[in-house]
Amino acid sequence: GAVVSQHPSWVICKSGTSVKIECRSLDFQATTMFWYRQFPKQSLMLMATSNEGSKATYEQGVEKDKFLINHASLTLSTLTVTSAHPEDSSFYICSAQSSSGSRNTGELFFGEGSRLTVL
Amino acid sequence: GENVEQHPSTLSVQEGDSAVIKCTYSDSASNYFPWYKQELGKRPQLIIDIRSNVGEKKDQRIAVTLNKTAKHFSLHITETQPEDSAVYFCAASINTGFQKLVFGTGTRLLVSP
Repeated sequence: GAVVSQHPSWVICKSGTSVKIECRSLDFQATTMFWYRQFPKQSLMLMATSNEGSKATYEQGVEKDKFLINHASLTLSTLTVTSAHPEDSSFYICSAQSSSGSRNTGELFFGEGSRLTVL
Repeated sequence: GENVEQHPSTLSVQEGDSAVIKCTYSDSASNYFPWYKQELGKRPQLIIDIRSNVGEKKDQRIAVTLNKTAKHFSLHITETQPEDSAVYFCAASINTGFQKLVFGTGTRLLVSP
């Protein structure tokens, strides 16, 4: 399947700092990417839809000023957790859908996930 | 918006038995229903999916059935093996040019040798 790469795979930071997570589609273009958050033993909750060249669409209850999303190119979306606090500790996963060519099957491809621990 | 419920939350079976996981969805406009397998700390992996124009799809030991009238779909795993142990998530989405998935709550499947 297509490859979506996330970086970093894990990060530990102090409370109050900001953390940036990158999501890249390595072998296809992705007009739209999605950011999910998964707490331990829970489901994946959609945080926002990232659209290349425009503002992200946030789900209800997700603070857009706290979770900054930038989708500057067809292969890269970033999620920045600003002023992180311990309750933001979670597994953040991105996904992307191919927007062109043979990869355009409608299937979503997930990144490896980024585990954030805020001390 | 879409709401997806999944049952059971945990499922323990003996190796070789069958396992069935069921999901219901609320939005009749949903037309794409994938199933994902997630191992601890790993990304979800698509194992099978079904679109609303078919009622059943099978891939070796895995099958999915869809009842659009009742708005429910099920995952069937036959001849289970210990390596099938994982958390399984169903999802539903409406394809409006991109797949905005809503996930079920997950089922932890444990296959004992």
